[in-house]
Formats: sequence, structure tokens, C-alpha cells
Amino acid sequence: DAKTTQPPSMDCAEGRAANLPCNHSTISGNEYVYWYRQIHSQGPQYIIHGLKNNETNEMASLIITEDRKSSTLILPHATLRDTAVYYCIFGSGGSNYKLTFGKGTLLTVNP
Amino acid sequence: DAGITQSPRHKVTETGTPVTLRCHQTENHRYMYWYRQDPGHGLRLIHYSYGVKDTDKGEVSDGYSVSRSKTEDFLLTLESATSSQTSVYFCATESGPPAYEQYFGPGTRLTVT
Repeated sequence: DAKTTQPPSMDCAEGRAANLPCNHSTISGNEYVYWYRQIHSQGPQYIIHGLKNNETNEMASLIITEDRKSSTLILPHATLRDTAVYYCIFGSGGSNYKLTFGKGTLLTVNP
Repeated sequence: DAGITQSPRHKVTETGTPVTLRCHQTENHRYMYWYRQDPGHGLRLIHYSYGVKDTDKGEVSDGYSVSRSKTEDFLLTLESATSSQTSVYFCATESGPPAYEQYFGPGTRLTVT
């Protein structure tokens, strides 16, 4: 069963920021938060991960609350190609590291 | 992206026949995974490998076996295919420390009639 809670769907206007929330209240201290996305019929794609601090890369920004029980993925300028299902996952990496994918959030970017 | 290929990309087979799906990577990643994806269930882990000849079960391993004789290849075998194994199968590799991000292949769509 999924250990994260995400809204099933969200809409965003093209060019605007998309903010995708995730609750992960059972996360342990050494577990990372990962975000992946899956564009229709393709394999999932890694986006970003973080432990405690906020992170930014060329694709997105990740904001993790101080208590680490929730996070927000930010796509600063959403495009139509960002329409996908976004998965929030947590895990500790290394030996016995297995991702558990829930149902994610379907983000639809509208023109 | 990691160089991950899956073969075949599409396959239709009959109930009771054996089927082998192949995953090939060019990144020399130690960890490899097989997932299946079905409507309403998301991605579920079937088996994974943490090195050559080292494999372990995931949450939905019944009816599946795997083998890894080389770092670059991870095979998934359905010994006797059933209609419940109709699914899209994804292979993934893991980059290792510090990020442990997983890279996924394009998927294999398997239909068991």
C-alpha cells in the first residue's frame, strides 16, 4: 500500500507554476523524498529528491517542511509536455531499497 | 538518462506458455528491478537484483522468476503465463549513492490470451 498521500488530480495553466503537494507523515529520519513522473505510456522519469533541505535542479524545486511530514514539488513554468502522473515516494536507498509507487497526481497543463 | 532497453516491446502469448522478457542496461548499475503496472494499482515491484546472481522477491513475485548472469542483463520469466499476468512491465536500474535514483526502461506490453 502507498505510504504517501497525494491529490488524485490537479490542473495548471501553461506558463504558470505547478505546485504538487505530498504528505508522508511516516517518513523516517534517514529516508529521502523522491519525485518521479510518468508521461502517458512511458517509463517513469526521475525528477528530484531531498532529505531535509530544499532542493532545485533543472527540472523542478522540492520544498520539504521542517518536520519532514510533507513536501511540495514545484514546476516553475509548466508546459504542455509536463502533463503527466507525478509520484511522491520515500525510501532510504542502498541495500533493500525498493520504491513503493502509489497512484500519484495526474497534472494536466492547459493551454 | 541511463541506457536501458527492454525486449520485446510488445508480445501476445497464450495461457500456459513460457515467456521471457529481457532488460539490458549500459550504465553498469548494480541494482536492477522489474515492476508491473496495471490500471488502479500503480507500479508494483516483482523482483529485484543487487548484483550478478543475487536476486530477491518483491511484493508480487508469485508466478515470476528472474535471472542475472551479467551485470547488464536482467531477465524476467513467466514460467506458465496466465491472463492475470497481462500487464505493462517496466525494468529499472538504480544509480547507487548518494542519490539512489531509479531509471526506467520504455516498458513491455504483454497480453496473455
